[in-house]
Amino acid sequence: DAGVIQSPRHEVTEMGQEVTLRCKPISGHNSLFWYRQTMMRGLELLIYFNNNVPIDDSGMPEDRFSAKMPNASFSTLKIQPSEPRDSAVYFCASSLLGLAGQTGELFFGEGSRLTVL
Amino acid sequence: GESVGLHLPTLSVQEGDNSIINCAYSNSASDYFIWYKQESGKGPQFIIDIRSNMDKRQGQRVTVLLNKTVKHLSLQIAATQPGDSAVYFCAENAGSARQLTFGSGTQLTVLP
Repeated sequence: DAGVIQSPRHEVTEMGQEVTLRCKPISGHNSLFWYRQTMMRGLELLIYFNNNVPIDDSGMPEDRFSAKMPNASFSTLKIQPSEPRDSAVYFCASSLLGLAGQTGELFFGEGSRLTVL
Repeated sequence: GESVGLHLPTLSVQEGDNSIINCAYSNSASDYFIWYKQESGKGPQFIIDIRSNMDKRQGQRVTVLLNKTVKHLSLQIAATQPGDSAVYFCAENAGSARQLTFGSGTQLTVLP
C-alpha cells in the first residue's frame, strides 16, 4: 500500500486566497483525521470522519475552515479566505476504528506545508 | 483541562547508549497509549502502543512502560542509533469515539 497520500506537499499563497488540501487515506480504513502542526501548539486535531461522516469538528478553528469526505478514498480541507496565522503543516491520517469507536494506530501522510503571506 | 505532556523537551544521547523519553498524562480514563516518531519533514510514524491492562510492552529495540499509579509513560530505546534522531510524541486515548491527544514532543538527538 502507498500509505496516506497528501497534496500539495508545499503551498505558498497570499492572504485572502483559497487553499485546498487533499488527502487519500489508506484503502480499507474507515476513519480519517485532519491535524494541524505548529511549533507553538503542536499537533492539533481539526476534524475526523468515520465512514465518510464528520464525527467531531470541534477542533476546526473557525468558519474559514471546512472539510469534506465525498467518498472513502478522498478528503479535502479548505481554508477560505486564508490568513497568515493559518501557516502550518497540515497532516491527514487514517485508521481503523474499532466496533466501539476506539482509535487504533493512526497512519499519517507526509503533510502539506502551508505558508500564507 | 486534562492533557498529555512531556517532562523533557530535548534529549541528547551518545550513539550506542540507551535513551529514555518520559511522558506524563493526566486523564485517568485513558486506556490506550501510543508513541510516535517524527523525522524532519515527515509525518508521525507509529513506534509502539500499550493498553492500560499492561505495564510493559517490548518491540524491536524499544520498550514502553506504563505506570498508571503516577500516570507516567516512558519510551526506552536500546543502543540508540543516528537514525533514531527525531521528535517523539506520546499520545493517549480515553475511550470510545475519542481521538488521540498528542503531547508536545521530545527532540531526541543522537551524538556521534
